[in-house]
Amino acid sequence: AQTVTQSQPEMSVQEAETVTLSCTYDTSENNYYLFWYKQPPSRQMILVIRQEAYKQQNATENRFSVNFQKAAKSFSLKISDSQLGDTAMYFCAFITNFGNEKLTFGTGTRLTIIP
Amino acid sequence: NAGVTQTPKFRVLKTGQSMTLLCAQDMNHEYMYWYRQDPGMGLRLIHYSVGEGTTAKGEVPDGYNVSRLKKQNFLLGLESAAPSQTSVYFCASTKDRPYYEQYFGPGTRLTVT
Repeated sequence: AQTVTQSQPEMSVQEAETVTLSCTYDTSENNYYLFWYKQPPSRQMILVIRQEAYKQQNATENRFSVNFQKAAKSFSLKISDSQLGDTAMYFCAFITNFGNEKLTFGTGTRLTIIP
Repeated sequence: NAGVTQTPKFRVLKTGQSMTLLCAQDMNHEYMYWYRQDPGMGLRLIHYSVGEGTTAKGEVPDGYNVSRLKKQNFLLGLESAAPSQTSVYFCASTKDRPYYEQYFGPGTRLTVT
């Protein structure tokens, strides 16, 4: 079974600081995809960043970057220069690409940016 | 371009009542999904569709039915609502395979009393 674990239910950080959210996953597959989704108080989920397992280079999107450690099955999200608008639930998600249609989500980390 | 929309946004049902949640997308996406979100449990897949006229069971399908008669619409039905179905329901769609970005609707908060 594929599982995604987010061990930090809640985190808070001062505005403009850097914060790292952790995620680990379990799979026996070699090819897969990892995602971080953000769910702000408005509830609508939006994609933050996506990583393809066969790519060694860590994905980056502006202030958001990941630290992908394939051997350790770890996929952490780093938010630099945090902003009040980053306050949200963050979900790590995972899917393989061999006939599997199911995106598996972690339980989420609630991030609060303190002014 | 409205993206993914859901109707209604809120609903309160009594145990045993039925209802249908409507999801619509205007991006010509092939794949559509219904999830439920419960506190401390992330999102769990209820049913999904890989194209018009197709449906398949997800992780937690019991008590729900779905239909995809038109490519742009994906309906989620509760035939006899139970308190355990109190949740927030999200619809999502993706262009092709699910390892591309999923676009989510704003959610429907359902309370069953």
